[in-house]
Parts: sequence; structure tokens; C-alpha cells
Amino acid sequence: QQQVRQSPQSLTVWEGETAILNCSYENSAFDYFPWYQQFPGEGPALLISILSVSNKKEDGRFTIFFNKREKKLSLHIADSQPGDSATYFCAASAPTGGNNKLTFGQGTVLSVIP
Amino acid sequence: EAGVTQSPRYAVLQEGQAVSFWCDPISGHDTLYWYQQPRDQGPQLLVYFRDEAVIDNSQLPSDRFSAVRPKGTNSTLKIQSAKQGDTATYLCASSFNRNTGQLYFGEGSKLTVL
Repeated sequence: QQQVRQSPQSLTVWEGETAILNCSYENSAFDYFPWYQQFPGEGPALLISILSVSNKKEDGRFTIFFNKREKKLSLHIADSQPGDSATYFCAASAPTGGNNKLTFGQGTVLSVIP
Repeated sequence: EAGVTQSPRYAVLQEGQAVSFWCDPISGHDTLYWYQQPRDQGPQLLVYFRDEAVIDNSQLPSDRFSAVRPKGTNSTLKIQSAKQGDTATYLCASSFNRNTGQLYFGEGSKLTVL
């Protein structure tokens, strides 16, 4: 059972455009949603995160929009740069005694064309 | 500050052989995770520890996989009698024990089983 789903599987945008990556989840107990960025040959690294009490989180060119009712969120990358080309993972966890047990989606491969 | 260190970076085995992966987490991080990441998929949690105690190993194929963290610092993941389906990158991550704590991932150990 895939508890966290991402779409599209791959996305290509031109430099300067806004890339929109989508994520949905099934478990209503999830309340923490980080996005991780992974380059080939490296481990994932935290990019930005949001708690379910918020509906928007911004950090520079990166913005998360969160809709708790629909169990959906999206990552917007404004002014996309070639260096943003990577795989992006949406993840989720529930508050279970202080443990940060993350469930990851399948990832979206982003390609930014100069 | 040193990041999460994993070794070996690569391993190639024939089916039926055994392999051990080693992880040195960030100093002071009490929680350590092992994830399996098949090619073109998201990381999937295998097991995680708080200090030396196993918190959740429900996704660890216990008949062939084992993981230990005897002193609450370094950890070893062992696969006995490897199968082709075990081909994946094995990621180690560490974090502080608190809600919504950031996971810091190592570069991973890429396993190929022929």
C-alpha cells in the first residue's frame, strides 16, 4: 500500500519557469511533511518542510502549499535553475512518541533545461 | 562537523553471498535509521534505533537481514544469502530524538546482486 503518492513521475521545465510537484497521502495521522532533494550518487537532503497546522511554507524559491482536507500538498519551485535538476521526494510522518519515522513517496525527477 | 559516513560505497555479490554495511552517524544523534532504496524508487524504512534499542524493525526481512547498534553509536546492517531482489542502495540516516527532527542521510551503499 503506497501511503504517499507523487506526481508526475518526471517533469521538465525551462530555466526561469515554475515547477510544480504534487503529493498526496492516505494516513490522516500524518502531520509533518518534509520534501527531500536527491542528486545522483548522494543521499537525500532536507529541502523544506511543513506541519499540518499550516497551509503554506516559503523558503526562498521553494514553497509548499498544503490542503489538509484533501490530503494533498505541492512543492512549487519558482525561477527554476539547472542546478535544481534532481529527484524530489515528498515524505510524511505521524507524531508517535517523538520518533521521526518517515514514509517516502516514489519521487519526481525534475529536469531544468537552460 | 562530519556527516553520516557509510561503507562500503559499492558491493557486488553473487546470489547466496553475505554482505555487511557499516554506518557512522553524526555525533550526538541518538536515532539511527536504515532505509532501502531500489533504483528509481523512494527510500523504504527497514529498521531504526534509539541509542542501542531497536524501535521498529517490522519492515526488516528478518530471515536474511539483521541490524545492530551495540553501543548506541555505529551500526551494522547485514544481509545473509543475498537475492537479486536485494539489489538497491542502502541508506543510513541519523537524527535527534524529537518530533519533526531532520534526517541526515549518508551517501549510501549501492548493492548489486548478480
